[in-house]
Order: sequence, then structure tokens, then C-alpha cells
Amino acid sequence: NAGVTQTPKFRVLKTGQSMTLLCAQDMNHEYMYWYRQDPGMGLRLIHYSVGEGTTAKGEVPDGYNVSRLKKQNFLLGLESAAPSQTSVYFCASSHQGAWQETQYFGPGTRLLVL
Amino acid sequence: LAKTTQPISMDSYEGQEVNITCSHNNIATNDYITWYQQFPSQGPRFIIQGYKTKVTNEVASLFIPADRKSSTLSLPRVSLSDTAVYYCLVDAGNNRKLIWGLGTSLAVNP
Repeated sequence: NAGVTQTPKFRVLKTGQSMTLLCAQDMNHEYMYWYRQDPGMGLRLIHYSVGEGTTAKGEVPDGYNVSRLKKQNFLLGLESAAPSQTSVYFCASSHQGAWQETQYFGPGTRLLVL
Repeated sequence: LAKTTQPISMDSYEGQEVNITCSHNNIATNDYITWYQQFPSQGPRFIIQGYKTKVTNEVASLFIPADRKSSTLSLPRVSLSDTAVYYCLVDAGNNRKLIWGLGTSLAVNP
């Protein structure tokens, strides 16, 4: 039981390049989330999903797209990376139901956009 | 939106009890209070959750007064491995978002 895994662990992009971050969970959770964490800002919700095939915008969705084609996977895409997207990205999942459900986090992906 | 306020940093020594207080003045009636712990280069990890009075598990205790406008996370007999950032969160109810503040950076010294 690996919990929540994220790939890649670290990536360097040039401005304008695109990439996809993959999140996978093996706990059969309905809810999945993508956060970014920046110094002095705390965690901010980018997008989330309440089930397979559904996605919704969070607090800071601009510049990102997501897809949840399979229940266990939640993909975060950057179509045209910008230096402002340099951050640590965390994926999380929770069983279902209310937002106070315990969220299980992955180890994070460090992204540097030059 | 329910917003939380907690100290930016705290220092302690091994073996001491540490209490971290969080203010959430506009917490809604049906909101829960949740605490997470984050070590460097790792994702946050759930510690404890409560609604009122006192909750205790194998890791910590959570004290919530009757007015629920604040809560206190209590870590008994901390060790060096408890050095981490601790986040207090309240469920933002109908807005369906958890508000993550900056957390409290706890440093445990030998």
C-alpha cells in the first residue's frame, strides 16, 4: 500500500514549456486535490476532484489544467510554464464526503521554471 | 471564510510539553478543527481533529473551549523528531475549501 505517490520528484522547465505532474493513490479515495506551496504563502488549492471524470477549480487555478480519467489518478498540467509557477506541488486524496475528511498527501514535486 | 491565526514559530526542549494555540474567531457551527504536521521536504500529515471539548490520540491532545473560537494542540514530552510545521485548519463549510495558513514552526532543542 503506497498511499499517494507523485511523479516526477523534481523538474526544471524553461519558460513556455509544458509538462504534466502525475498523482496516483491506491486507497480507493473519491476526492483528490492539487496544492502548491510557496514560502510565506502556505498551501493553496489549485484544483480538486470529487470523483472520476469530475474536476473543479480551487483558489489558484489559472495556468493549470487537470484531468481525472481514472479514479486512482489525478493529473496536473502546465501548458505554458511561467517563472511564477516555480513551487512545490502536493497532491492529496481523501475518502469521500465532507471537506473535514483526513487528507493524505504525497511527497511533493519540486518545480523550477527558468 | 473561517480563518485561523497561530504563532509563526515556537521553541521548546526535549521532554517538555508543547501547547500551540490557534484562533478561529468566525468558525461556523458545523466546522471541525483539524491539525496537520509537516516535516521538511514532505507532505503534511494528519495529527488530530475535533469539534468540541477534548480529543486525545496516541500523538497529541486537542483542547477546544465551549465558544470554539480557539483551540490548543498539546504535544506531550516532545522529542527532536517533533521539529516540524504544525497547521491548524477549519473546514470552510459551504465554500468547500480548507484554509491553510502559514502554520507554526516548532523547533525542539536538545
